[in-house]
Parts: sequence; C-alpha cells; structure tokens
Amino acid sequence: AQSVTQPDIHITVSEGASLELRCNYSYGATPYLFWYVQSPGQGLQLLLKYFSGDTLVQGIKGFEAEFKRSQSSFNLRKPSVHWSDAAEYFCAVGATGGGNKLTFGTGTQLKVEL
Amino acid sequence: IAGITQAPTSQILAAGRRMTLRCTQDMRHNAMYWYRQDLGLGLRLIHYSNTAGTTGKGEVPDGYSVSRANTDDFPLTLASAVPSQTSVYFCASSPQGGTRNEQFFGPGTRLTVL
Repeated sequence: AQSVTQPDIHITVSEGASLELRCNYSYGATPYLFWYVQSPGQGLQLLLKYFSGDTLVQGIKGFEAEFKRSQSSFNLRKPSVHWSDAAEYFCAVGATGGGNKLTFGTGTQLKVEL
Repeated sequence: IAGITQAPTSQILAAGRRMTLRCTQDMRHNAMYWYRQDLGLGLRLIHYSNTAGTTGKGEVPDGYSVSRANTDDFPLTLASAVPSQTSVYFCASSPQGGTRNEQFFGPGTRLTVL
C-alpha cells in the first residue's frame, strides 16, 4: 500500500523568500504524484502533477516540483513567495496499477509574513 | 459557473440522526468521490463512483452509504450519525476514474455530530 509523509506541519516564510515543502512517499514503483493547495474554507485545487518523463514539473501560480526516485521525494518549490500563497498544501500519491485511491499526506500549513 | 456544489455548507446533528450530504457537479464527469478531512489525518476516501450506477468502497466506508443514480449527483448518507463522524466532507469529481485524472473538489460540508 502507498503512503505519503509530509514532515513539516507548519512552515513560516517571509514574503519574497524561497519556499520548499517536503513530501516523501512509499510505493513499490513510480507512482502518480500530485500537489494540491487548500485555501481557508475552500476545497482543494491541483497545483501540479507528475506521471512520467521530465522529473521537474511546472504548475500553476509559479510552483514547481521535482521527482527524485532515489529519495522517494516530490518536493514543492517556489522561488519567491507571495502573501496570497498562505494556505495548506497536500501531497498525494496514486497507484499506477489501477484503482481509485489517492493517498494524501497530512498537509503543511504555510504562513507568509509580510 | 461550472464546478461542484455541496449542501449544506455546515450542519450540527444529534447523534443517531440520519443525514444526507448532497453533491452535484455540472462538468459531466464520470467519476465522483467523497472524502473526509480530519486534523492531522489529511483526506481519506470514503466512497467513490466510476460511472453512474456503480459505487465502490474507499478507505473509511463504515457508517456511510452512497448512490449514483445519474451522472451529476452523488449523495452521501450517514444512516445513524456518531460523534466520530464529525469532520469536513469534500466531494470531488474527475473526468474518468483512476488515479491519473485530476480531481476537482467542492467547497466542503462541515458536519458536527453531538
């Protein structure tokens, strides 16, 4: 069974600073990987996804993520954070062999200081 | 506006009562999902449906039932609510079933069972 670990529950960064949110997964092969963002009181919105190919994927709102097979990681990055990026971020893993189960991490709450 | 609507937005319910959470999408997506979100646990899949007329159990199906009479609607029923079902419930849809497809989320229903 797949699993996802987001080791940082809360992260605080200053506006304009760079950001990296960590995600580690456990799965027997290369899974489908996703990052979602949840603004307060809202549902989740997809930021980016990785299925195969280029290990650096670009998403919306200036985010990118890099798949590293050797580290079983899929960390989310942004070069310069904006105050509007304050939200909760979820990494998710999907099995490639069929089925419907997306396994979500427990989330990282991002606070942006002005 | 295309998307997913959920009703009610929030509800306080006495234990033992029956409750149906409503979900409607107008994107003509084949697959729909119900998740619950609990602090420190992320999102967990309750039930899913790959197409109208079919449903399947997710990670935490006990105490919940669903039906999929048509493409647009996917209600979630708690037959006899218990306090452990206090949570935020999200409905989602995707063009097809399977973990490769982006899931689109509704705004959520906050349910409190006393």
